[in-house]
Formats: sequence, structure tokens, C-alpha cells
Amino acid sequence: GEEVAQTPKHLVRGEGQKAKLYCAPIKGHSYVFWYQQVLKNEFKFLISFQNENVFDETGMPKERFSAKCLPNSPCSLEIQATKLEDSAVYFCASSPGRTNQPQHFGDGTRLSIL
Amino acid sequence: AQSVTQLDSHVSVSEGTPVLLRCNYSSSYSPSLFWYVQHPNKGLQLLLKYTSAATLVKGINGFEAEFKKSETSFHLTKPSAHMSDAAEYFCVVSESDSWGKLQFGAGTQVVVTP
Repeated sequence: GEEVAQTPKHLVRGEGQKAKLYCAPIKGHSYVFWYQQVLKNEFKFLISFQNENVFDETGMPKERFSAKCLPNSPCSLEIQATKLEDSAVYFCASSPGRTNQPQHFGDGTRLSIL
Repeated sequence: AQSVTQLDSHVSVSEGTPVLLRCNYSSSYSPSLFWYVQHPNKGLQLLLKYTSAATLVKGINGFEAEFKKSETSFHLTKPSAHMSDAAEYFCVVSESDSWGKLQFGAGTQVVVTP
């Protein structure tokens, strides 16, 4: 598609439950990035993929966070045993190249942990 | 290492008057610089990008920005504000060696009054 599609728009989970977020990148874009927006204006890089391969995972809290981009499927970001501090808006972005190419963002998934 | 400083957290302008959003960056190498806009409950929309070509960059909706290496600045301007410009604006940096991940400024909220 022409837009990055993120589902669901909102996700509510009790503390300790699992949360799974999905992202369909723009067709033809081989790079996918996940960011976490906390407190409205603080963006944190989580992970990036080149096609189905993890490219950079330096921002991932590895104990509970995992992500995949499999062929012919939306990319996913999964959080096990959620904590209150995981409440945030999670954005997915895609781009045709790694550097000097703007990233196109989806509308985000708002995750609320109760 | 890279960092981005948006000098104003909040800017209020009257409709029809100029807008100036200030951004300074620090970068070890040759950065790519971007301005994104975020309307409430939406994703980030690219306004413009600088990637080492012309230092004066024109973007969408009448916005433009000038890259000044000597001042390490990338200020965003628009000659005449419109009510629809009310939003949050982010100055964003990507280093050539950062594997594509973006570093965000803290954002500037723009309010446009009639």
C-alpha cells in the first residue's frame, strides 16, 4: 500500500499480560523501524529491519520485547509480561533505503497498561 | 554522537504572520536532517529533508528550512501561518553511521490564533 498501516489503533492490557502490535510497511520499502513515544514528545528507537532480517536492535529491552518481519506478513512487535511503564504510543516507519531516505510513519498504536 | 535541540517548546503566532521554529544539532559526521509534523492522534508527516544537497530546502505546505553548518542550525520557517499549521513539530537527525535510526528533538508546539 501507499501508507504504513498499524493495527490496532488502541490496545488496553492489564499489567503482566501480553501485547502484540502490527505494522504493514509501504510496498517496496525494505526497511522497517519501530519507535516508542512516551510522555508525548520523547521518541525512543527500538529496532529496525532490512526485509526480514534484524538490522539494528540496540534500542530493544530484550527481556520482554521481541519483533519480527516475516515475508508476506505484517511486521509485529510483541511485549511479554507488560509493565505500567510500557504505556506509550508505538510508531512503525518504513523507508526504501537506510540512510538519506525519509522514513514514512504510520498513525501509531496507543498501548495502555492498567 | 548526535543530538537535537529545539529551542522553543511552544510558539504562538497569529494567522497570516511568519512562523520560525528553531533547531540546533550536534553531529560527528554528515547528518541528514528532517522536519516532521504531528497532528493530534496522528503519525508523523514529513515536511522536508536535507541530505547534503542545496542548503535551502523547500518542503510541503509552504515550509522551508535552511541548513547552516557554521551555526549547526536547521531552522524551519513559513512566511504566512495558516490555522491548519497548529500541530507539534519535530526536528530530526540521522547520522550516516547510525544505521538509519532517527534522533528526535523534544518538539515545538505551534498554536495559531485567528
